[in-house]
Amino acid sequence: NAGVTQTPKFQVLKTGQSMTLQCAQDMNHEYMSWYRQDPGMGLRLIHYSVGAGITDQGEVPNGYNVSRSTTEDFPLRLLSAAPSQTSVYFCATYPPSSHEQYFGPGTRLTVT
Amino acid sequence: SQKIEQNSEALNIQEGKTATLTCNYTNYSPAYLQWYRQDPGRGPVFLLLIRENEKEKRKERLKVTFDTTLKQSLFHITASQPADSATYLCALGDSGGYQKVTFGTGTKLQVIP
Repeated sequence: NAGVTQTPKFQVLKTGQSMTLQCAQDMNHEYMSWYRQDPGMGLRLIHYSVGAGITDQGEVPNGYNVSRSTTEDFPLRLLSAAPSQTSVYFCATYPPSSHEQYFGPGTRLTVT
Repeated sequence: SQKIEQNSEALNIQEGKTATLTCNYTNYSPAYLQWYRQDPGRGPVFLLLIRENEKEKRKERLKVTFDTTLKQSLFHITASQPADSATYLCALGDSGGYQKVTFGTGTKLQVIP
């Protein structure tokens, strides 16, 4: 089992460009989340999903879109990249019966 | 607003000693508290969870205490090893359908051989 996978691992974008960060899990977990991690800020929740077809906003959703068409995949879309979105992005999953979150390896995004 | 404080300064400790990390919080009544380990360039890895009605939890060389009166958790690593060197994150969770988790900024632990 691969667990939680994220692609790409690194990405450089120019201001105004759009892109999709991919997240996939083979653990059959209902809950999936996207976080960003910035120095001195801790992990902050962007969007989350409690199941296919159901998504909701977290603490810092502006500038990001998500969708969840399958249990396995939860892509994060940057609509028009800004330098403030330079960060490390983590996808995480966990089953409702447990609070133990499983994180992916992260995507390091730089917006110039 | 909710606030979680972890010592932002790195903690250096001699191999074999017990490392103690602190997590303090304010304006929050969490249903549970978690500790994660994060190595450079990697995602956090879950270590332990302790619920609001529990005082102490152990797992191998790890021990977590949770004092809801003091609004504080202590995380202990006994007989520390250089391989324990990492950043340790505290996270507080809500009750409810989707339990939103709020993370602290983490404390970097360096175990010196």
